[in-house]
Amino acid sequence: DQQVKQNSPSLSVQEGRISILNCDYTNSMFDYFLWYKKYPAEGPTFLISISSIKDKNEDGRFTVFLNKSAKHLSLHIVPSQPGDSAVYFCAAKEDYTGANSKLTFGKGITLSVRP
Amino acid sequence: NAGVTQTPKFRVLKTGQSMTLLCAQDMNHEYMYWYRQDPGMGLRLIHYSVGEGTTAKGEVPDGYNVSRLKKQNFLLGLESAAPSQTSVYFCASSGTDYGYTFGSGTRLTVV
Repeated sequence: DQQVKQNSPSLSVQEGRISILNCDYTNSMFDYFLWYKKYPAEGPTFLISISSIKDKNEDGRFTVFLNKSAKHLSLHIVPSQPGDSAVYFCAAKEDYTGANSKLTFGKGITLSVRP
Repeated sequence: NAGVTQTPKFRVLKTGQSMTLLCAQDMNHEYMYWYRQDPGMGLRLIHYSVGEGTTAKGEVPDGYNVSRLKKQNFLLGLESAAPSQTSVYFCASSGTDYGYTFGSGTRLTVV
């Protein structure tokens, strides 16, 4: 049973527009959420995170929103750029205070930004 | 460059052959992980380690073994490779900042 779900496998957006990537989770014990970005032939790299005590975290063009009651988070990219084309993984972990709890990843979503 | 280094980057094995994938990190991280990535399946945890000399099973451990004899190294072994183990393997490490640092991956094909 997948605990972190990225139900849309792909998203195509025009350059300059907003990209919204969605993620749902089922484990109510998750309290820290991360987004990773992956280019072909490279390992995933950390993009942005949010803890359960917040409902929004912003870093430049990237904003993550968390709705705990709905067990839903989303990543907004504004404005989208062709270099943002990549696979985006949503990940979650229990025990925000413990570094040794494992990340659970979603299946990923492939974002394509059209010039 | 500091980070996680995986060797080899590519490998083709015949069914039944064995091999070891090496992961090395120079960030003094306690925790290390091995994932496999398959189309439509995302990243699935194979084995992990919470410190030197310790290992534990993840989500898909069958057919793999691991060892963490030194803090900086985490080895993934395939004793008898099967075509179902054709995948891209990623190693990751983490310290106290809750995020993972990934290696660039090993693309393994079993024929």
